[in-house]
Amino acid sequence: ETGVTQTPRHLVMGMTNKKSLKCEQHLGHNAMYWYKQSAKKPLELMFVYSLEERVENNSVPSRFSPECPNSSHLFLHLHTLQPEDSALYLCASSQETGLYEQYFGPGTRLTVT
Amino acid sequence: GQQLNQSPQSMFIQEGEDVSMNCTSSSIFNTWLWYKQDPGEGPVLLIALYKAGELTSNGRLTAQFGITRKDSFLNISASIPSDVGIYFCGTSGTYKYIFGTGTRLKVLA
Repeated sequence: ETGVTQTPRHLVMGMTNKKSLKCEQHLGHNAMYWYKQSAKKPLELMFVYSLEERVENNSVPSRFSPECPNSSHLFLHLHTLQPEDSALYLCASSQETGLYEQYFGPGTRLTVT
Repeated sequence: GQQLNQSPQSMFIQEGEDVSMNCTSSSIFNTWLWYKQDPGEGPVLLIALYKAGELTSNGRLTAQFGITRKDSFLNISASIPSDVGIYFCGTSGTYKYIFGTGTRLKVLA
């Protein structure tokens, strides 16, 4: 596989469930990101990892918990979500953080019931 | 906070027409990125600009980094039906990544 992959592509979960989103990049990049995309809103940056170290957390609620075990893999652990958390969650990677273009995965469409 | 204003928000055009959209900000940036997003997919990078005044082409697409470093435009020449989608501008800095709300393009055959 090439590029940035995400699984699952679709996820429906109840507010009391615990689930995880997975992202894998095959580009040899050192930085990975989680974004939230809601209808008619700009992409919202959630987390930034550089060489497996979290370098940015944009005031994201603690019910979202990221994990980056190595520079190729990124997880987003979800628990006790709210209906307003329903959105498309996108993973991206770039060579480094900063002035580098980002490459996005296809996203996970999350619905919280 | 910083934000990028994209216009138009949406547009319907006839196949074969040229398209122009732009992105503006009140802040100065050092990069401008243009992405296209198809339904149910993630954004795909089209063009990256790193220098004020830079004009870059990618097939039928041309983008320019404004001299003031506060704006950028994207042109699509001779549009075809597969150009339909949402076009986003974006910019990046150290741990800062900002995107516009997108221009939704619909091409009428």
